[in-house]
Amino acid sequence: SQTIHQWPATLVQPVGSPLSLECTVEGTSNPNLYWYRQAAGRGLQLLFYSVGIGQISSEVPQNLSASRPQDRQFILSSKKLLLSDSGFYLCAYTSPFGTDTQYFGPGTRLTVL
Amino acid sequence: TQLLEQSPQFLSIQEGENLTVYCNSSSVFSSLQWYRQEPGEGPVLLVTVVTGGEVKKLKRLTFQFGDARKDSSLHITAAQPGDTGLYLCAGVEAGGTSYGKLTFGQGTILTVHP
Repeated sequence: SQTIHQWPATLVQPVGSPLSLECTVEGTSNPNLYWYRQAAGRGLQLLFYSVGIGQISSEVPQNLSASRPQDRQFILSSKKLLLSDSGFYLCAYTSPFGTDTQYFGPGTRLTVL
Repeated sequence: TQLLEQSPQFLSIQEGENLTVYCNSSSVFSSLQWYRQEPGEGPVLLVTVVTGGEVKKLKRLTFQFGDARKDSSLHITAAQPGDTGLYLCAGVEAGGTSYGKLTFGQGTILTVHP
């Protein structure tokens, strides 16, 4: 079966500090991977997506970057966090053999103080 | 401009009532998904619809995809407190190379009171 993991679950960081959020997928190869940010109780905004190792597309200009060092690993990073980076970050994947249905990880709650 | 307009944004009802959530767009979608999300957790897929005019039922939930694949609705019959949560519609635009990127509606926060 396929599963998706995210860590950490929660994170409190000071302004100006670096960030690294990790997402891993099990049970499927060559998935499409996605990073989203969600404002409280609202819809999701796509930040980055990746169709393969080392292939990253950015959807919105921002203070964040993404990397895909391995087939099933997707990392969201920042060199210097801003207050506006606070939010709920979700990773998702689609199977290359199925429909466009995306499956989401449990999310990371980031608070920048 | 929001590509997917979801309404209503908030819904507060009593247990046993029926409700409908709408998701509308001027764009055509190759597929549309409905998710339910609990606070602090990731969205959980309820259904995917891909065919215009398609109707899918999941217990007390009925999902419809418009004939032109531009709109969808979620109908809940006899709502229960356990239905409380954030409901999200999301679609993949038809045509072009979208890499399965989803566009989300703004979400509907449903509260069902006992």
